[in-house]
Amino acid sequence: KQEVTQIPAALSVPEGENLVLNCSFTDSAIYNLQWFRQDPGKGLTSLLLIQSSQREQTSGRLNASLDKSSGRSTLYIAASQPGDSATYLCAGLLIKAAGNKLTFGGGTRVLVKP
Amino acid sequence: NAGVMQNPRHLVRRRGQEARLRCSPMKGHSHVYWYRQLPEEGLKFMVYLQKENIIDESGMPKERFSAEFPKEGPSILRIQQVVRGDSAAYFCASSPFAQGSYGYTFGSGTRLTVV
Repeated sequence: KQEVTQIPAALSVPEGENLVLNCSFTDSAIYNLQWFRQDPGKGLTSLLLIQSSQREQTSGRLNASLDKSSGRSTLYIAASQPGDSATYLCAGLLIKAAGNKLTFGGGTRVLVKP
Repeated sequence: NAGVMQNPRHLVRRRGQEARLRCSPMKGHSHVYWYRQLPEEGLKFMVYLQKENIIDESGMPKERFSAEFPKEGPSILRIQQVVRGDSAAYFCASSPFAQGSYGYTFGSGTRLTVV
């Protein structure tokens, strides 16, 4: 059974500091890993998708890495801004005979102080 | 492209009533997934459907919950005889292929409150 863990559960940083969010998973047969952002009371916005054959993906100030052998993914947000305050979720996709399943971590709640 | 559409956004039901949550996937997507997010908890998988078929319902509670994705129309998550513990945000996601190669796109969710 795939388990996904995110540590820390909450993080507070001053504006301008770089953010490092960690995600670990137990099943290395992961098909891909997706990072999402969730604002309070809102839905999920996809940030980055990393295929199992890839090591990292970049979009603007965001960079996500994937290391299947160690079961880890890291999301880096450069030069954080107050608008980056949100909960960040990672989710790993496993392909099973019964159908694929996306398993979520518990999320890291980020607060960027002006 | 309107994205994944869920309605209603907010739903209030009294204990014992039925709740019907609707999800229209993105255009061209034939795979639908339902997730539940309980207060202060993470998202938990409930069910995976393709048109007219339930592929994986391993996350669905055994009683009172059912889901369908008919040939025409949106996917429906139905909760009969709701209880306070059903209060949660219910999210629907869709993907164009079974393997999820292009990732999942999520809707804005339906927030169910049982009073």
